[in-house]
Amino acid sequence: DAGITQSPRYKITETGRQVTLMCHQTWSHSYMFWYRQDLGHGLRLIYYSAAADITDKGEVPDGYVVSRSKTENFPLTLESATRSQTSVYFCASSGTVSGANVLTFGAGSRLTVL
Amino acid sequence: AQSVTQPDIHITVSEGASLELRCNYSYGATPYLFWYVQSPGQGLQLLLKYFSGDTLVQGIKGFEAEFKRSQSSFNLRKPSVHWSDAAEYFCAVATDSSYKLIFGSGTRLLVRP
Repeated sequence: DAGITQSPRYKITETGRQVTLMCHQTWSHSYMFWYRQDLGHGLRLIYYSAAADITDKGEVPDGYVVSRSKTENFPLTLESATRSQTSVYFCASSGTVSGANVLTFGAGSRLTVL
Repeated sequence: AQSVTQPDIHITVSEGASLELRCNYSYGATPYLFWYVQSPGQGLQLLLKYFSGDTLVQGIKGFEAEFKRSQSSFNLRKPSVHWSDAAEYFCAVATDSSYKLIFGSGTRLLVRP
């Protein structure tokens, strides 16, 4: 199916554990983004990527690691999860579909760190 | 640095009444401007966007927004609110066609029957 998919949709983990959230898009979009959503803060950009092997920090990158070895995948890793990283995480991609520039969000991944 | 301000955390309107949600941005040039809606437990849906041209933009679900350069604003309006419009609304800006968005903190809309 065409689109952008995130997995897992729900994850509960413990403080100190490593967690990886996956993001996959089928359009070969150049740009991909990770946002976190918290009450009172809206969505804040964690990391983004302009192309394979090119990543850059957003507003709140501390505690997160990303990679982009393939254009279609952009995993987000919490190397040692903390309670403050309990949040809903949204992946997005932007690029051209049928000649028009589009930006599409995934359905979100809800992470709880105990 | 770019920023987006949505000064109203909550707004309550009666069904059938008009609605205006405020959005102000900080950026030296004209940014790309967006409004998104998020229903409880759902993802983000694009309502409308402004890149250039006509400053009054029409979107889905009967929403419109007006870009006012002099006020650095991009307020969202709807002439008659329906109960199904109850949701959280986010204004966002991007400075180029990468669509790297900076979001406001959101406005939660409550609709009275």
